[in-house]
Amino acid sequence: KNEVEQSPQNLTAQEGEFITINCSYSVGISALHWLQQHPGGGIVSLFMLSSGKKKHGRLIATINIQEKHSSLHITASHPRDSAVYICAVPLHYGGSQGNLIFGKGTKLSVKP
Amino acid sequence: DAGVTQSPTHLIKTRGQQVTLRCSPKSGHDTVSWYQQALGQGPQFIFQYYEEEERQRGNFPDRFSGHQYPNYSSELNVNALLLGDSALYLCASSFGYSPQETQYFGPGTRLLVL
Repeated sequence: KNEVEQSPQNLTAQEGEFITINCSYSVGISALHWLQQHPGGGIVSLFMLSSGKKKHGRLIATINIQEKHSSLHITASHPRDSAVYICAVPLHYGGSQGNLIFGKGTKLSVKP
Repeated sequence: DAGVTQSPTHLIKTRGQQVTLRCSPKSGHDTVSWYQQALGQGPQFIFQYYEEEERQRGNFPDRFSGHQYPNYSSELNVNALLLGDSALYLCASSFGYSPQETQYFGPGTRLLVL
């Protein structure tokens, strides 16, 4: 059973559309990370959040700790937003916070 | 300020061989984590080094080993390569090992085992 589930797996949008990517997790966490991976492999950290909402430019991330759910929103999407978006949470090791476990990612393609 | 760098960028090996991948962390970072990302999958945690010691380890066999040097750079070694070891290997660095610290990722080393 995957501890981090993302949906959808693939998403195609038209330029300008509002996009939502969802992440659900089954473990108790203190923080959740959203990452962006472009073709070729490089990963960029977008957000780390433990409650509420964070905004950076056209990107907005929200988290509901009680429901164990987070969303990443992209407003006014652009073809350069095309990438894989990955959600990650810390894995507990023997009761202490451990390293990250990742969802499989959501592949976003924004068409002009 | 250089970010996380990895070498080589690409590598082709044959089954049974051994490989060493290298990672230099972002300036000021003391913790290095290694991840394996198979095609179409999210990264999987291999292990983490802090103060030159392996602090945590994921579900990977002993064929996967590592090292951290006093300058915080790190190596990942894989022995007796299998076809299934073909993947993108990502290194990430942070200041401290708290999962609430932002991890900065390198560009990765793409390993192909034939």
